[in-house]
Amino acid sequence: QQQVKQSPQSLIVQKGGISIINCAYENTAFDYFPWYQQFPGKGPALLIAIRPDVSEKKEGRFTISFNKSAKQFSLHIMDSQPGDSATYFCAAIVESNDYKLSFGAGTTVTVRA
Amino acid sequence: ETGVTQTPRHLVMGMTNKKSLKCEQHLGHNAMYWYKQSAKKPLELMFVYSLEERVENNSVPSRFSPECPNSSHLFLHLHTLQPEDSALYLCASSQPPAAGSRTGELFFGEGSRLTVL
Repeated sequence: QQQVKQSPQSLIVQKGGISIINCAYENTAFDYFPWYQQFPGKGPALLIAIRPDVSEKKEGRFTISFNKSAKQFSLHIMDSQPGDSATYFCAAIVESNDYKLSFGAGTTVTVRA
Repeated sequence: ETGVTQTPRHLVMGMTNKKSLKCEQHLGHNAMYWYKQSAKKPLELMFVYSLEERVENNSVPSRFSPECPNSSHLFLHLHTLQPEDSALYLCASSQPPAAGSRTGELFFGEGSRLTVL
């Protein structure tokens, strides 16, 4: 059973545009939601994360929006750059059980120059 | 150089072979993980070791056998694999929550691309 559902599977955006990736979860015990970024030939790396006590978190051009009642969260990449071309994974975890990080299936973002 | 190093980066093996994947972390972490990454699927947690003890075995077939001789090294022994086991195998490390780290932050290696013929 997939605990975190991610969409779209892939997207193409023009340089300077906004990339939006959506995730939904079922387990209301999840209380920490990280996003990982993976470049080709590399392992995933933590990009940004949010806890459900806030509705938005921004780090540079990357923003997470969180809707606790809808059990949804999304990643917005503002002013997308070709260097942002990568696969993005949303994830969720119950903080008291650090080992069980549930990942979405990933979104491949391609930014065209 | 990344903090988590995996070897080999690529491996091709037949179904009757026995091979091993190796992972070494230079971050001083106490927990190490094996994940399986297949195209268009979520990362699948396979095994977790904390302080060299296995704390998670996520219903993985016995043809995959992990070994953690110390907190810096992790192996995945492979034998009589199936073609559907072809995937990218990722090793990761983290600090346990009690150490005050950012919860859920995994540090991944670059992976070992396995092809089973």
